[in-house]
Amino acid sequence: AIQMTQSPSSLSASVGDRVTITCRASQGIRNALAWYQQKPGKAPKLLIFAASILQSGVPSRFSGSGSGTDFTLTLSSLQPEDFATYYCLQDYSYPLTFGQGTKVEFK
Amino acid sequence: QITLKESGPTLVKPTQTLTLTCTFSGFTLSTTGVGVGWIRQPPGKALEWLALMFWNDDKRFSPSLKSRLTITKDTFKSQVVLTMTNVDPADTATYYCARRVGTTTPFDYWGQGTLVTVSS
Repeated sequence: AIQMTQSPSSLSASVGDRVTITCRASQGIRNALAWYQQKPGKAPKLLIFAASILQSGVPSRFSGSGSGTDFTLTLSSLQPEDFATYYCLQDYSYPLTFGQGTKVEFK
Repeated sequence: QITLKESGPTLVKPTQTLTLTCTFSGFTLSTTGVGVGWIRQPPGKALEWLALMFWNDDKRFSPSLKSRLTITKDTFKSQVVLTMTNVDPADTATYYCARRVGTTTPFDYWGQGTLVTVSS
């Protein structure tokens, strides 16, 4: 199975900060990577798929990049509603695998 | 409007069989490329993909759980059913169902999730 390693596991930031989360695959997955946002008690929400395509309705302050094994989710200017946990998901091959999550907390 | 909703028991005893139903609307599982998957999340832990049922009856499972899982669909009822045998307290989690479309769009719509506790 392809392992997805996210970093950091948590971070503290302030409103307006630029935040970067990375996800590394244990083998090449081309651009078959998605990013999700999850708030406590809620289902995950798809933010980005195919590494860099913004899901409809997601604010443009979210962006994704990368290909192969290294991927990045960037929040250009953190907003109060962005404090949440973020997960990457590879859907290049089965079994589908998620990263362990990155919790974005208020500094 | 696309919606999915999970239903099933909230409490199951160890060694029993867990049956969860995902009832969806706003799309059909007879459309080429559409699939419905199951993902779980133990309390305070990360997401784990379990299984996926496609429009053409193709099925995929997590290898670590494959021997314990069954997935079926009822296209007319717009339902996908996941069965997990021989449950253990480690299977305590919130179980989600979610839709995927094609080969590039992973789970785009999710149910609200249902918490299943395995305890005697």
